[in-house]
Amino acid sequence: AQSVTQLDSQVPVFEEAPVELRCNYSSSVSVYLFWYVQYPNQGLQLLLKYLSGSTLVESINGFEAEFNKSQTSFHLRKPSVHISDTAEYFCAVSEVSGNTGKLIFGQGTTLQVKP
Amino acid sequence: ETGVTQSPTHLIKTRGQQVTLRCSSQSGHNTVSWYQQALGQGPQFIFQYYREEENGRGNFPPRFSGLQFPNYSSELNVNALELDDSALYLCASTRDGVSYEQYFGPGTRLTVT
Repeated sequence: AQSVTQLDSQVPVFEEAPVELRCNYSSSVSVYLFWYVQYPNQGLQLLLKYLSGSTLVESINGFEAEFNKSQTSFHLRKPSVHISDTAEYFCAVSEVSGNTGKLIFGQGTTLQVKP
Repeated sequence: ETGVTQSPTHLIKTRGQQVTLRCSSQSGHNTVSWYQQALGQGPQFIFQYYREEENGRGNFPPRFSGLQFPNYSSELNVNALELDDSALYLCASTRDGVSYEQYFGPGTRLTVT
């Protein structure tokens, strides 16, 4: 079985400051890793994903995440946040060999960007 | 290309009643998964339907059931509603059950009183 732990429930940060949202996972099998973002009263949007290859993955809006297999982590970072980045962020995993497409989510981290 | 749509947007039911939620998958997708997101929590996998058959189920009781239709749209049915069933219900569609190209709908907010 897999599990995902997001180490911070809330992260307050000032606009233009850097931010890191932490995610650790546990799994006995190989997994894909994801970050999803949820704006208020909306569904989930895929921010970025790690499937294989380069351990550093980037999104089109400046976020990046690095897969660290030895530390079983997939932390999300952005060098300079905007007010519009205020949202709930979810880390998730799924089995590489699974056939259900089941995603296991963490509890979420609320990113609060202050002016 | 149309995205994933869900209906209704909001719903209020009384404990003990039954509810049906609907999901239309993204064009070209033959797989639909349903998730329950309680307030302040991450989504939890309920089940997945692939080509009209249940293809995996999470830790939810049998009163949670589903259907997938030939056009790959889907329904989630919940019988004997309990207060703890109050949540945002999300559906996600993909092709052939793959996890890494799932697209989520906006969700249905269910409130059980």
